[in-house]
Amino acid sequence: AQTVTQSQPEMSVQEAETVTLSCTYDTSENNYYLFWYKQPPSRQMILVIRQEAYKQQNATENRFSVNFQKAAKSFSLKISDSQLGDTAMYFCAFSGAGSYQLTFGKGTKLSVIP
Amino acid sequence: EAGVAQSPRYKIIEKRQSVAFWCNPISGHATLYWYQQILGQGPKLLIQFQNNGVVDDSQLPKDRFSAERLKGVDSTLKIQPAKLEDSAVYLCASSKLAGYQETQYFGPGTRLLVL
Repeated sequence: AQTVTQSQPEMSVQEAETVTLSCTYDTSENNYYLFWYKQPPSRQMILVIRQEAYKQQNATENRFSVNFQKAAKSFSLKISDSQLGDTAMYFCAFSGAGSYQLTFGKGTKLSVIP
Repeated sequence: EAGVAQSPRYKIIEKRQSVAFWCNPISGHATLYWYQQILGQGPKLLIQFQNNGVVDDSQLPKDRFSAERLKGVDSTLKIQPAKLEDSAVYLCASSKLAGYQETQYFGPGTRLLVL
């Protein structure tokens, strides 16, 4: 079974600064996807960024980028130029070819401080 | 494009009562998921539908939970009877197809409190 671990329950960052959220996972599969989802307070979960395991190039989406280390089974999210609207719970998730379901970590609560 | 709709948004019931949640996925999305998100944890899949058939319900507590997706569109999730530990947010999500590469789109959730 796959597991996803987010070791930082809470983090804070000053507005306009950069922050990195950590995620590690455990799997025996070769084909899989990794995702970061954002869940703002009292609002729905939305996809931030996704990474295909067979692609060596790290995914980027505007101010969001990942550092994917396949051998280390690490998948961190970097948020540059943090904005107040980035305040949210961030969930790392795994989806493998052997099972179509998303396995989530426990989340990291990010607070952006003005 | 309209997103995933869920109702009600909030529900408070007493233990041993029954409750039902409704979900309308994004139009054209064949796959629908129900997740349970307990406070302080990530969502956990309860059941996955492909059109109106069940793909995976291995984590659904079938003695008290049931779900259906009639005509392959809307879905309802029912709990009967509810227990205190069922207090959680119930999230519905949908994707175009079933597949590990598919992006899932989530609804706003139904927050359930069992007293």
